[in-house]
Amino acid sequence: GAVVSQHPSRVICKSGTSVKIECRSLDFQATTMFWYRQFPKQSLMLMATSNEGSKATYEQGVEKDKFLINHASLTLSTLTVTSAHPEDSSFYICSAVASGQDEQFFGPGTRLTVL
Amino acid sequence: GNSVTQMEGPVTLSEEAFLTINCTYTATGYPSLFWYVQYPGEGLQLLLKATKADDKGSNKGFEATYRKETTSFHLEKGSVQVSDSAVYFCALKHQAGTALIFGKGTTLSVSS
Repeated sequence: GAVVSQHPSRVICKSGTSVKIECRSLDFQATTMFWYRQFPKQSLMLMATSNEGSKATYEQGVEKDKFLINHASLTLSTLTVTSAHPEDSSFYICSAVASGQDEQFFGPGTRLTVL
Repeated sequence: GNSVTQMEGPVTLSEEAFLTINCTYTATGYPSLFWYVQYPGEGLQLLLKATKADDKGSNKGFEATYRKETTSFHLEKGSVQVSDSAVYFCALKHQAGTALIFGKGTTLSVSS
């Protein structure tokens, strides 16, 4: 089946530093990837839609300069949290859609803790 | 706007009990409806889906029927197992190629 990986699974960083999270589709090509954020006991909130080779589309209220998304290839999208602050601590989840298909496949998520 | 509301958890059941997790939605038009499951330490997996009114999605003993008149998509299973313990998310998608809109998730814990 379609597998999506995320790296790292868990990261702890100091306030003010930047953190990069990778999302990879391991056995299929993904023209579209989505980035979600999940707070404890809350639903997954869509942050942005990432299409290979073009700029990401951000949801209202998501700072594009703070959450940099790069979808440089059909198997990799990255989310960089710049100048992270404690309020950025959250669970970040990506999903990928195979070319020509509609079903989303989800990564296992990345737990970010900013001290 | 589009939204999904599902029952608060956690839901705690004994093995072989009947399960219902309620889910209602608000959407314009005719969205597709989904249930996803997240087992501990794993990513979300599609459990079942329905794309039009009165459709019934089913998988692994779970069922949900797309009820447009009540804007609901309740998840049911007749006899739960310990291995069903997970977080269940109800979701909708307004059109192909767009992102999913999720409910808050319901944690199910089944004990033997």
